[in-house]
Amino acid sequence: AQSVTQPDIHITVSEGASLELRCNYSYGATPYLFWYVQSPGQGLQLLLKYFSGDTLVQGIKGFEAEFKRSQSSFNLRKPSVHWSDAAEYFCAVGIGNSGGGADGLTFGKGTHLIIQP
Amino acid sequence: DTAVSQTPKYLVTQMGNDKSIKCEQNLGHDTMYWYKQDSKKFLKIMFSYNNKELIINETVPNRFSPKSPDKAHLNLHINSLELGDSAVYFCASSQSSPILAFFGQGTRLTVV
Repeated sequence: AQSVTQPDIHITVSEGASLELRCNYSYGATPYLFWYVQSPGQGLQLLLKYFSGDTLVQGIKGFEAEFKRSQSSFNLRKPSVHWSDAAEYFCAVGIGNSGGGADGLTFGKGTHLIIQP
Repeated sequence: DTAVSQTPKYLVTQMGNDKSIKCEQNLGHDTMYWYKQDSKKFLKIMFSYNNKELIINETVPNRFSPKSPDKAHLNLHINSLELGDSAVYFCASSQSSPILAFFGQGTRLTVV
């Protein structure tokens, strides 16, 4: 079965500084990869996704992520964070069709991002 | 227009009660899901439905039952609620290929 590891439970970054959130996955083939953001008391919003092709993907709100097959990683980056980026960030893996259906997503445990003024 | 909507947003109820959470999607997706987010914010899939067929049934208590009256709805029924059921429940939908799941805003269930 696939699994997702987000090694950092909390990260504190100063406003305007760059950000990198780590995500590693375990799966026998190339999965579909996602980053979601959850603001306090809110639902999950898709930031970006990787299915195939260019390994550097651009998302909303100035975020990008790079798929590195050799490292089984899909780290999320932003060159300059804003106070409004403070939220919980989830990396997720999907393995696509299986027997005609969809298997849903497997999530990491999340990284809580704190922005210092 | 809201893509995936769930009601209610908050639900406080006593132990032993039976409750339902409703979910509707207007995206024309063929698969809908329920996820549970526990107090540590860990998200785990509970169920998925594709064309009215249950595809995944994780090891959740049989007090939880998904019901899909049509392709656009997947409701979650919970019988004999327990304190440990307190969590945020998220509905989601996607097209089966490729997966691109859209989530609802969540329902915060508190059992007292």
